[in-house]
Amino acid sequence: AAGVIQSPRHLIKEKRETATLKCYPIPRHDTVYWYQQGPGQDPQFLISFYEKMQSDKGSIPDRFSAQQFSDYHSELNMSSLELGDSALYFCASSLESSGRAFEQFFGPGTRLTVL
Amino acid sequence: DAKTTQPPSMDCAEGRAANLPCNHSTISGNEYVYWYRQIHSQGPQYIIHGLKNNETNEMASLIITEDRKSSTLILPHATLRDTAVYYCIARYGQNFVFGPGTRLSVLP
Repeated sequence: AAGVIQSPRHLIKEKRETATLKCYPIPRHDTVYWYQQGPGQDPQFLISFYEKMQSDKGSIPDRFSAQQFSDYHSELNMSSLELGDSALYFCASSLESSGRAFEQFFGPGTRLTVL
Repeated sequence: DAKTTQPPSMDCAEGRAANLPCNHSTISGNEYVYWYRQIHSQGPQYIIHGLKNNETNEMASLIITEDRKSSTLILPHATLRDTAVYYCIARYGQNFVFGPGTRLSVLP
């Protein structure tokens, strides 16, 4: 079965650079979520989109922005990168319109390292 | 979100039932109890959820006390592949806040 795809899987950036992470949800899923997991920490919710509209916002820094496109893929844009942004970034998708938003399917994550 | 409290770690012998407790004494009437797990560095995986009634699926059972102040996740026959961090979340809505969870080690 198709799963959530994230790219790239690994990314190395310098401080103050920008990064773009991409997420391709499971086909027909209408909701995308982004989570950040720092080293030794638990996943923290950043932002979510339902049908291409932002649906909820968590602890996403102002330096980050995200959007969901017409084909339902999503991108997380990160600017002025800081050392503390080094983390695993997970994307998840779910099918809210079927009443199954509780079952989020997570991708493999993008490991971002900021030097 | 209701605050949840879980033991930081537990051990379980392979083949035995693993019973993971969660306290959510401040849960409100419309908040569900969700369980997810995370195997090392993989994305979290949905296990089960419930509101009032006990629930069972192919992975686990969820026992919720009548007053809803606590619940127990039961893995009936734990295997080595069940070694993971298990998160109990009490929430209305699906933008989950994970942590700190119980680190379950299934021992051979």
